[in-house]
Amino acid sequence: DTAVSQTPKYLVTQMGNDKSIKCEQNLGHDTMYWYKQDSKKFLKIMFSYNNKELIINETVPNRFSPKSPDKAHLNLHINSLELGDSAVYFCASRPGQYYGYTFGSGTRLTVV
Amino acid sequence: QQPVQSPQAVILREGEDAVINCSSSKALYSVHWYRQKHGEAPVFLMILLKGGEQKGHEKISASFNEKKQQSSLYLTASQLSYSGTYFCGTERSANNNDMRFGAGTRLTVKP
Repeated sequence: DTAVSQTPKYLVTQMGNDKSIKCEQNLGHDTMYWYKQDSKKFLKIMFSYNNKELIINETVPNRFSPKSPDKAHLNLHINSLELGDSAVYFCASRPGQYYGYTFGSGTRLTVV
Repeated sequence: QQPVQSPQAVILREGEDAVINCSSSKALYSVHWYRQKHGEAPVFLMILLKGGEQKGHEKISASFNEKKQQSSLYLTASQLSYSGTYFCGTERSANNNDMRFGAGTRLTVKP
């Protein structure tokens, strides 16, 4: 009965590869997010998705693309992985503006 | 655009109190507080909305001074379980969905 689930939990891959991280929430929340947490624990927003409206953080490289097949899913696809992409990626969701975020358990991506 | 948190780290003995501050240079709609334990996801503690308010959650409470664009998280009679990194997150409007997090405050509670 996990609220926000991400797969895989760990991902080790070589530079130049393309990979995807999946996120699903069973909370019925309207908005979903992707955050990147670097080695210094800094959490940086990458995308938010609400009612088919995608808001992209302007600093995110276009190698990163979110895909939402339906309201409960927001997947993250990354092309041409680079060493600097190594981080923990968190998916989160939220029911509305008066509420906090529920985070998934994270995906630790290591690019070698 | 991200808020500024202080202090960066604090070490307490069980039973002691701590205050973590969060400030922004921009007008805010809301302030969130989260706690993250090592290797885990951030966990939501509370949200404070503009209009200036205080909230409490067991022995953890927070205030939001809208005019100063500042929020403070108060931890009283700390317990070992309070250890972790505390993040504030700020939103500048109701529907932008672009919450920015501070750099975090690492709190260590020792026996």
